[in-house]
Amino acid sequence: SQTIHQWPATLVQPVGSPLSLECTVEGTSNPNLYWYRQAAGRGLQLLFYSVGIGQISSEVPQNLSASRPQDRQFILSSKKLLLSDSGFYLCAWRRLDTLNTEAFFGQGTRLTVV
Amino acid sequence: AQSVTQLGSHVSVSEGALVLLRCNYSSSVPPYLFWYVQYPNQGLQLLLKYTSAATLVKGINGFEAEFKKSETSFHLTKPSAHMSDAAEYFCAVTSGGSYIPTFGRGTSLIVHP
Repeated sequence: SQTIHQWPATLVQPVGSPLSLECTVEGTSNPNLYWYRQAAGRGLQLLFYSVGIGQISSEVPQNLSASRPQDRQFILSSKKLLLSDSGFYLCAWRRLDTLNTEAFFGQGTRLTVV
Repeated sequence: AQSVTQLGSHVSVSEGALVLLRCNYSSSVPPYLFWYVQYPNQGLQLLLKYTSAATLVKGINGFEAEFKKSETSFHLTKPSAHMSDAAEYFCAVTSGGSYIPTFGRGTSLIVHP
């Protein structure tokens, strides 16, 4: 069966520090991968998605970046965090070749920038 | 382009009462529709999905939703609310050539004893 792992679960970082959040998927190959951010009362905001290794599409211009160094690994990074980067970050995957399958979500990372 | 509107950011019901969470979609082609539930500090979990088979879809935890093309709606219902149903609920759509699910802003369900 497929599983998705996301870590860390919680993170407190000072303003200006770097960030690296990692997400890995097991039990499937060539998935679509997504990074979402959830701010209080604002629903899910798509940050990045990837349809393959090294292929990253950005939905929102900001000081975050994403990389996909391996087929089932998706990394969210920042060189210098801002207070506004605080939020709940969710990684998700879907099968690449279908529209009618759901997205599977990791457990999320609660990031607090202080 | 596809979009989802969830009416009501908060819905409050008494335990045992009917739950109705509203979702309207916009899509130029037949959509695939999903309802997810999120408990505090957790990821989203699929409740049910519509994939052009039966218009009345049954999901987990006693929830169901009906696809109504004429109303472009996919409302989520449960006959009798339980305290454990208190959570955030998201409606989502995929359609056409987009492999990116579009989510609504979410509805927080509050269940009173």
